[in-house]
Amino acid sequence: KAGVTQTPRYLIKTRGQQVTLSCSPISGHRSVSWYQQTPGQGLQFLFEYFSETQRNKGNFPGRFSGRQFSNSRSEMNVSTLELGDSALYLCASSGRKAGGTGELFFGEGSRLTVL
Amino acid sequence: GENVEQHPSTLSVQEGDSAVIKCTYSDSASNYFPWYKQELGKGPQLIIDIRSNVGEKKDQRIAVTLNKTAKHFSLHITETQPEDSAVYFCAASKGQGGKLIFGQGTELSVKP
Repeated sequence: KAGVTQTPRYLIKTRGQQVTLSCSPISGHRSVSWYQQTPGQGLQFLFEYFSETQRNKGNFPGRFSGRQFSNSRSEMNVSTLELGDSALYLCASSGRKAGGTGELFFGEGSRLTVL
Repeated sequence: GENVEQHPSTLSVQEGDSAVIKCTYSDSASNYFPWYKQELGKGPQLIIDIRSNVGEKKDQRIAVTLNKTAKHFSLHITETQPEDSAVYFCAASKGQGGKLIFGQGTELSVKP
């Protein structure tokens, strides 16, 4: 069974630009969560999608957005990039039913550098 | 607000020794406590988890204990091996699906 796939793995942008990251969950998983990982703030929850609906949102500005498609693939978008957005963006999928908790399967992440 | 504190930030042990990592959570509504291991260049991977109705759980060399009164939970690794070297994260959840509050991580180094 293929794992969680994130693309691109590495990208460099400049301040003010926008970026879109993609995540393909494990087949059959309907939940996709996004996390930002930085040395200073650690792992911080961005948002979760379940069956194309945003179920939960972390404390990030509106520049961070996401969506999920009918095949459970998800994208996140960051607009008007700032230097502080440089981070590893991790996607995780879960086979849990709506509600409750369960194991998150993480991808290897997309490393974003903002210059 | 929700917060998870993790200690120590770095831990170095000799192969065969035990390692203990401790976490404290702030939200008493938390009911699920997973531990993740992250190796260099990879995403975190679940190694063990515990729910609030259980005080202790063990899986081979790994065990987790939970003290709900103190809002404290710990990871114990016995007979450490060099391949245990990684960054370990504790986390807490209130049952909100994929939303986990992570600790800051512990970099474990196991010296042969």
